[in-house]
Amino acid sequence: NAGVTQTPKFQVLKTGQSMTLQCAQDMNHNSMYWYRQDPGMGLRLIYYSASEGTTDKGEVPNGYNVSRLNKREFSLRLESAAPSQTSVYFCASSVQRNTEAFFGQGTRLTVV
Amino acid sequence: AQSVTQLDSQVPVFEEAPVELRCNYSSSVSVYLFWYVQYPNQGLQLLLKYLSGSTLVESINGFEAEFNKSQTSFHLRKPSVHISDTAEYFCAVKEGGSQGNLIFGKGTKLSVKP
Repeated sequence: NAGVTQTPKFQVLKTGQSMTLQCAQDMNHNSMYWYRQDPGMGLRLIYYSASEGTTDKGEVPNGYNVSRLNKREFSLRLESAAPSQTSVYFCASSVQRNTEAFFGQGTRLTVV
Repeated sequence: AQSVTQLDSQVPVFEEAPVELRCNYSSSVSVYLFWYVQYPNQGLQLLLKYLSGSTLVESINGFEAEFNKSQTSFHLRKPSVHISDTAEYFCAVKEGGSQGNLIFGKGTKLSVKP
């Protein structure tokens, strides 16, 4: 089982460039999430999708947009990348919002 | 709003010594509690969880955690650690029965030395 798959694994962007981080899960989960992980900050929720067709802001949504393309896929878009968005990004999914989340391997993004 | 405090950012221990990683949460309402482990350059893996029932929960690799409602704590323990336990450990909490999301602590880096 693949679980939660994120692409790409690594990315370097120049300030102002845009990109989309892809995430797909094959566990038939209803809920999906995007987190960012920064040293000493733990994981902070950017956006989540409680179910197909819905998305909501998390703790740190500024500078990001998301699309829940279908039940399997949840993408995160940076329209104009900034150095402050240098981070490791994790996608996760859960059966419902009140159950444990399963994480992808992460995307390490550097904005120069 | 719910919050999670992991009191130690780094915990160095020698192999075969016992270890306790501390976690406290803020809300006194019904909660679900989780410990995740992150090995270097990997994603987070669920280590153990408390949803209801017995307050002592165990993982398959010898870790255990005890839910203490009165102290709003969910400390992680292992009686004898191995080099392979070196990783970062995250405590997470979610208010049960609500539509809230998982809230993570800032993590504790466990370093096991020979």
